[in-house]
Amino acid sequence: AQSVAQPEDQVNVAEGNPLTVKCTYSVSGNPYLFWYVQYPNRGLQFLLKYITGDNLVKGSYGFEAEFNKSQTSFHLKKPSALVSDSALYFCAVSHPGYSSASKIIFGSGTRLSIRP
Amino acid sequence: DVKVTQSSRYLVKRTGEKVFLECVQDMDHENMFWYRQDPGLGLRLIYFSYDVKMKEKGDIPEGYSVSREKKERFSLILESASTNQTSMYLCASSSVIEAFFGQGTRLTVV
Repeated sequence: AQSVAQPEDQVNVAEGNPLTVKCTYSVSGNPYLFWYVQYPNRGLQFLLKYITGDNLVKGSYGFEAEFNKSQTSFHLKKPSALVSDSALYFCAVSHPGYSSASKIIFGSGTRLSIRP
Repeated sequence: DVKVTQSSRYLVKRTGEKVFLECVQDMDHENMFWYRQDPGLGLRLIYFSYDVKMKEKGDIPEGYSVSREKKERFSLILESASTNQTSMYLCASSSVIEAFFGQGTRLTVV
């Protein structure tokens, strides 16, 4: 069965410092991996995805993520955090070819708090 | 601009009522999903559908059913609402490579 783990409920970073939000996954075969962000009272917004190819994926708002197959990880990173990055972040995995749908499974979420 | 529209942002229902949550997408996606979001638990998949009249159970289907009579519409049904179904419900539709979410319905069962 597919699963996604986000081991940190909360990550606190000072503005201007680099940030990392961790994600590990468990799925057989080659997964599709995603990061979504949720701002207060808003729906989920797509940040970036890994399908195939280069292990370093660049996405919206200066975020990037690195796919590491041997460690089954897909950590979200940003070189210099902004206060406006404070939000709830979700990692997700799908496994194309499952049934006729790409079932998408989400992690429990990590709240990112950037202090000025 | 792509859209997933959920019929209500807020709902308050009584225990035992039958509740319908509606979701419509305009992207001609085959896949649609219903999740519930609870603090500390993330998004948990209730049901998903990969075609009209086709559905599969997710991780927490108990107490819920779904209907997909048309490609653009995916309904979540609470047969007899209970207080432990008080939650935020999110609908999504997806291509193979990206999912789009509605704004969510915050359901309170009293």
